[in-house]
Amino acid sequence: DQQVKQNSPSLSVQEGRISILNCDYTNSMFDYFLWYKKYPAEGPTFLISISSIKDKNEDGRFTVFLNKSAKHLSLHIVPSQPGDSAVYFCAAIISGSARQLTFGSGTQLTVLP
Amino acid sequence: EPEVTQTPSHQVTQMGQEVILRCVPISNHLYFYWYRQILGQKVEFLVSFYNNEISEKSEIFDDQFSVERPDGSNFTLKIRSTKLEDSAMYFCASSDSRGRTQYFGPGTRLLVL
Repeated sequence: DQQVKQNSPSLSVQEGRISILNCDYTNSMFDYFLWYKKYPAEGPTFLISISSIKDKNEDGRFTVFLNKSAKHLSLHIVPSQPGDSAVYFCAAIISGSARQLTFGSGTQLTVLP
Repeated sequence: EPEVTQTPSHQVTQMGQEVILRCVPISNHLYFYWYRQILGQKVEFLVSFYNNEISEKSEIFDDQFSVERPDGSNFTLKIRSTKLEDSAMYFCASSDSRGRTQYFGPGTRLLVL
């Protein structure tokens, strides 16, 4: 039951360029979306989120875009830095008390110096 | 910056033994969660907890699992009789009163032999 999909297992980008990570979802009940970054042997670190009532949210180098009609979101990182190299997970939630996050399978981003 | 902490970082146990994984959520958070990630697979939801009771649980969270908030700071996951397939990284998370953005601990790597 893949309600949240990240179809690219890996992405390589040159330092200073834009990284674009993509995520698709199938459950139209999801109303809040999050991106997490994960280094090996560490827990997921929250990066940025977006509510379904918005189509864009920006925080520094990170911007998340949401296209509800296409059930698609993307994370843009610009400019990319070598320290951004990690696995990026997209997650979605149906808002309410103590609701579960549904995660995608992750995309390994490698930023080349 | 407040963070979720977990102990132990690693646990090795024999099949059939009981294990208790411990978590200290962020102090003013109200919602608590356990997730796990089997090597090479997605992060999967196990259980959420609010107001001293389980709010949601997945089908993974069977009778072998239990959660408890024994005092004002700790949140524990007990696996009563471990199986080989319980080997995974276990992540604790917590969220504030809005319950949408969940902050994760560093994880406990459980190995069942």
